[in-house]
Amino acid sequence: GEDVEQSLFLSVREGDSSVINCTYTDSSSTYLYWYKQEPGAGLQLLTYIFSNMDMKQDQRLTVLLNKKDKHLSLRIADTQTGDSAIYFCAEREDSSYKLIFGSGTRLLVRP
Amino acid sequence: EPEVTQTPSHQVTQMGQEVILRCVPISNHLYFYWYRQILGQKVEFLVSFYNNEISEKSEIFDDQFSVERPDGSNFTLKIRSTKLEDSAMYFCASISEGLNTEAFFGQGTRLTVV
Repeated sequence: GEDVEQSLFLSVREGDSSVINCTYTDSSSTYLYWYKQEPGAGLQLLTYIFSNMDMKQDQRLTVLLNKKDKHLSLRIADTQTGDSAIYFCAEREDSSYKLIFGSGTRLLVRP
Repeated sequence: EPEVTQTPSHQVTQMGQEVILRCVPISNHLYFYWYRQILGQKVEFLVSFYNNEISEKSEIFDDQFSVERPDGSNFTLKIRSTKLEDSAMYFCASISEGLNTEAFFGQGTRLTVV
């Protein structure tokens, strides 16, 4: 079945860039999403990318998609302490629109 | 920005009791979902709902679970007889149809079964 994998933890210094990686298995996925979850809070949609795109930029966020390798990354420029959270990538099944989530990457931003 | 609303934000219930979790999806969206997240774990798919019926459900979504869209705006998840292992954060999501299919989640209902 479909599976989405992420590394569990990333620690960066404030002001540096963060890169969170994700791999997925369903080559037919049309949309891939990034969500942010702060402690005790819900899932905030950060951005999403359509599978016919290689890159999408939105302010400090850059999403890169390598469809051949089924690899997705989220780059956060000038990372701030407020960016500390868990980041989930998710792929959307085309037939059902169902989202399959990765385990989440916990980003810790050190001052 | 449109949002998915869930109530209550926190529900404490005794084992064996029935609970109903409520969601108001975004009004022009057509696909509705329930997910759950046990503390510290992955976000797991429970059920999807389209055109007033269940389109897909996971192994977790057994006979104790049911969903309903009673009045065209609310979308509810009922757990008939709660178990301790049902304690989790439950998220409702709605997705639009078409090219720009943003998938929005509610803030979640934290269910604690004691």
